[in-house]
Amino acid sequence: DTAVSQTPKYLVTQMGNDKSIKCEQNLGHDTMYWYKQDSKKFLKIMFSYNNKELIINETVPNRFSPKSPDKAHLNLHINSLELGDSAVYFCASSQTSGGDTQYFGPGTRLTVL
Amino acid sequence: AQSVAQPEDQVNVAEGNPLTVKCTYSVSGNPYLFWYVQYPNRGLQFLLKYITGDNLVKGSYGFEAEFNKSQTSFHLKKPSALVSDSALYFCAVRVTGFQKLVFGTGTRLLVSP
Repeated sequence: DTAVSQTPKYLVTQMGNDKSIKCEQNLGHDTMYWYKQDSKKFLKIMFSYNNKELIINETVPNRFSPKSPDKAHLNLHINSLELGDSAVYFCASSQTSGGDTQYFGPGTRLTVL
Repeated sequence: AQSVAQPEDQVNVAEGNPLTVKCTYSVSGNPYLFWYVQYPNRGLQFLLKYITGDNLVKGSYGFEAEFNKSQTSFHLKKPSALVSDSALYFCAVRVTGFQKLVFGTGTRLLVSP
């Protein structure tokens, strides 16, 4: 069983469109995260939810909106996609929001044309 | 601000030789330090972490890392490299009281046969 899964794996879309990426974890963890990895492989956190509550919101454009329907799911919706949004987006989860190990999903490669 | 530096973009080593991937950190407070590995087109896999205790931490796939507080370093090591160890390695730090990982820029390890 995959511990942290994301769909879709690849997403190709036009500028201006709205898209969503879904993430699910079956580890029973309380905290989930979204990270963005750019073309130079630099990783940066975007959001974190603990028990469905937003606890980290980095300086991310308002076009990005995370939603956590329950603590096993954290989705990322992106409005009005721009070329610069092209990246790999990783979901992760951890038992708590403290020093626990974060486990990452396989990533979603978003390409905006 | 918390930061992690990986001074080498790439490390080349011959199979069977020992390898070291360097990481230094800058934090206020006690650091939680992590190493992750990323294989091509895959998510990040956890290798090991230092929270407290013994400065030598052993992790997955024969990797270990040594925490050195005076040098603020957390270098990743393996006594005998395998070609299959070739991947992108990330060091990350989290400080107690903060709820996010700050990643280094990554070091590409290339193990030649």
